[in-house]
Amino acid sequence: DAGVTQSPTHLIKTRGQHVTLRCSPISGHKSVSWYQQVLGQGPQFIFQYYEKEERGRGNFPDRFSARQFPNYSSELNVNALLLGDSALYLCASSFFAGDSNEQFFGPGTRLTVL
Amino acid sequence: GIQVEQSPPDLILQEGANSTLRCNFSDSVNNLQWFHQNPWGQLINLFYIPSGTKQNGRLSATTVATERYSLLYISSSQTTDSGVYFCAVPGGATNKLIFGTGTLLAVQP
Repeated sequence: DAGVTQSPTHLIKTRGQHVTLRCSPISGHKSVSWYQQVLGQGPQFIFQYYEKEERGRGNFPDRFSARQFPNYSSELNVNALLLGDSALYLCASSFFAGDSNEQFFGPGTRLTVL
Repeated sequence: GIQVEQSPPDLILQEGANSTLRCNFSDSVNNLQWFHQNPWGQLINLFYIPSGTKQNGRLSATTVATERYSLLYISSSQTTDSGVYFCAVPGGATNKLIFGTGTLLAVQP
């Protein structure tokens, strides 16, 4: 079975631009979460979606938004990019949204903002 | 919110050596996961271990939930074990994971 997939793998943008990152969860998983990992730190939670509804949001500005589609895939959008948005963006999927569900991560999208 | 700390922060081993990584967390949890992040950034699931002991080949993990810590054991280490090891616990009612500070492991041939 395919694991969590993300696209693109790498992306270079300039300040002020907009970016869309995509994630497809493991087949059968209904929850998708997004994390940001800057160099030298652990991943930080951005959003969780379950059955197309936002179930949790981390401490990120409104420039960050996301959505989940009927097939459970998800998009993360970031507007008005800043240099500090340069990071590895990770998507994770799990069967359900509760705190006892194991999460599985995709390979990530490495975003560089110049 | 819940705090997660890992030790040691860095570890250098010779190939074939054994090691123990520790994860302390500040509140009771229903879930604990150990991950290995390879040099390309991929987070690989090692264990889902809210309590008890599990083994998978050369790796094993033990979580003592009542004392709020978990241990990851790596035996007969190999160069491919190099990378960063994270533990993570849920940070609330959602499945949001709070990651520890990580242990950077380097296994030398």
